[in-house]
Amino acid sequence: DAKTTQPTSMDCAEGRAANLPCNHSTISGNEYVYWYRQIHSQGPQYIIHGLKNNETNEMASLIITEDRKSSTLILPHATLRDTAVYYCIARRVGSARQLTFGSGTQLTVLP
Amino acid sequence: DADVTQTPRNRITKTGKRIMLECSQTKGHDRMYWYRQDPGLGLRLIYYSFDVKDINKGEISDGYSVSRQAQAKFSLSLESAIPNQTALYFCATSGVGNNEQFFGPGTRLTVL
Repeated sequence: DAKTTQPTSMDCAEGRAANLPCNHSTISGNEYVYWYRQIHSQGPQYIIHGLKNNETNEMASLIITEDRKSSTLILPHATLRDTAVYYCIARRVGSARQLTFGSGTQLTVLP
Repeated sequence: DADVTQTPRNRITKTGKRIMLECSQTKGHDRMYWYRQDPGLGLRLIYYSFDVKDINKGEISDGYSVSRQAQAKFSLSLESAIPNQTALYFCATSGVGNNEQFFGPGTRLTVL
């Protein structure tokens, strides 16, 4: 799996969009970008994934640059319950042995 | 109801005791995993199973064993618990061919 780099921490005001960046400059053509989050001491939660097109679901949007070297997870209207550690992972489809979460970004949503 | 359940949610035990952590899922997934998480660290894979007849060691399997009793059930055992096995343990499941893993709520294990 390609290495990913994320900022250690970010703050966001409640109700505003939270934009979480991720660099994956060595990503290969068959690796998807996955986002998970972990709210304190709970099990990690899948958020969204994409290959090269922008994706949106009920939780978030994923914007992947044209060269695929970076991406941004967008939580459109952050709430206090979105405070969590967010992990960006690059993985090949079918490589389902182990998820390597790395250190992630601690997002704190402020009231 | 939760798709992935773990029991117990919390357990305190003594060094040398045998402990079993249980995981059940209603997602119909073939693949199941056991991870542990230590404070400030990421998840590390202990064992995984791609179907009922398939068991594989993960990154840190020493001191642990597993049993896949059915498609829906995957148990983790600590044969003789030691203090450095104190951690948060997560079970997860996934379907074939995708990387969306669904995690249980975790079991907090303390070995005294």
